[in-house]
Amino acid sequence: DAKTTQPPSMDCAEGRAANLPCNHSTISGNEYVYWYRQIHSQGPQYIIHGLKNNETNEMASLIITEDRKSSTLILPHATLRDTAVYYCIVRGSRNTGGFKTIFGAGTRLFVKA
Amino acid sequence: GAVVSQHPSWVICKSGTSVKIECRSLDFQATTMFWYRQFPKQSLMLMATSNEGSKATYEQGVEKDKFLINHASLTLSTLTVTSAHPEDSSFYICSARDRGFTEAFFGQGTRLTVV
Repeated sequence: DAKTTQPPSMDCAEGRAANLPCNHSTISGNEYVYWYRQIHSQGPQYIIHGLKNNETNEMASLIITEDRKSSTLILPHATLRDTAVYYCIVRGSRNTGGFKTIFGAGTRLFVKA
Repeated sequence: GAVVSQHPSWVICKSGTSVKIECRSLDFQATTMFWYRQFPKQSLMLMATSNEGSKATYEQGVEKDKFLINHASLTLSTLTVTSAHPEDSSFYICSARDRGFTEAFFGQGTRLTVV
């Protein structure tokens, strides 16, 4: 699996957008970008994933650069409950057999009132 | 999303005893399950991958005789920490996926404390 680089921590004001960057310069053509988050003492929660197009769901938006070497997770209106560690993961699809999810250090997001 | 349940949520055991942790997929068939360990203020570390009906594949440095994994059915995998010691105290997390899903779903974790 390709490695990812994320800032160790970020702050965000409640109600503002939180933009979490991730670098994955060694990503290969069949690898997806996944985002998970882990709230303290809980299991990770899936947020969103994408291959090359931007994606949006009820939780967040994922912006992937055209060269796919970096991406940004956007929480449009952060709340205090969004305080968590956010993990950016690059992984193969089920068809390629690269399905192990290997976690890096992640970004600790603090949403402040 | 699909639901993965772990039991127990927390357990305290005496040094030298064995502890079993269960991971169940409640509304789907989990062809593959993954077990992770997480120490305080650290990221999740993958311990092993298990496929239903076959032996688990352990990551480098994980003792297979100490961490016994059984994935006997499509909805249940168990992790048994044998002869537990205080250094085995950790947060253990499972995840499960079915071949029809693009992502794996995680359990809520089990906090093990060995005294």
